[in-house]
Amino acid sequence: DIQMTQSPSTLSASVGDRVTITCRASQSISSWLAWYQQKPGKGPKLLIYKASTLESGVPSRFSGSGSGTEFILTISSLQPDDFGIYYCQQYNSHSATFGHGTKVEIK
Amino acid sequence: QVQLVESGGGVVQPGRSLRLSCAASGFTFNTYGMHWVRQAPGKGLEWVAVMWHDGTNEYYADSVKGRFTISRDNSKNTVYLQMNSLRAEDTAVYYCARGGAWLLDWYFDYWGQGTLVSVSS
Repeated sequence: DIQMTQSPSTLSASVGDRVTITCRASQSISSWLAWYQQKPGKGPKLLIYKASTLESGVPSRFSGSGSGTEFILTISSLQPDDFGIYYCQQYNSHSATFGHGTKVEIK
Repeated sequence: QVQLVESGGGVVQPGRSLRLSCAASGFTFNTYGMHWVRQAPGKGLEWVAVMWHDGTNEYYADSVKGRFTISRDNSKNTVYLQMNSLRAEDTAVYYCARGGAWLLDWYFDYWGQGTLVSVSS
């Protein structure tokens, strides 16, 4: 099974800060990676798929990069509504696994 | 607008069975793969199963293989998850989720609100 490792597990940043979250796969997954945001009591929201494609309706301050085994989610200017838990997910070879999540807090 | 509405959750004893349903609307159901994803209380997300748009293929996480069965009825725009031999570690919110537009696009662009399954004696 492909394991996904996210870092950091928690981050606290101020409004306007640039924030990056890293996700590493235990083996190459090409660009088969998605990013989600989850808020308390809600289902996850898709932000990015195929490593760097922004889902329709998602603000352009969110961007994704990487391929192979290392991927990055960047929030260019953190906004108050961006709090929540962010998950990466690989979808390669008829399986799907999520990272353990990164909790983003607004200072 | 796309809507996914799960039902069928509840409290069940270990070893018993439960069937979840997910009613879909707002899109052409028979052209999308449909997935189940679960989240144990206070924990992360775990992909459970997928059935292709036409019902020809299904895949499962190792943790549920042989115990859970996914199915769909395209005439009713509904996907199901039959869960047998339930264990305490199956306790979770179960989400129904729509796969991407291509067959192997196993990212999830729409999610339901989830239904809670609690396995306890």
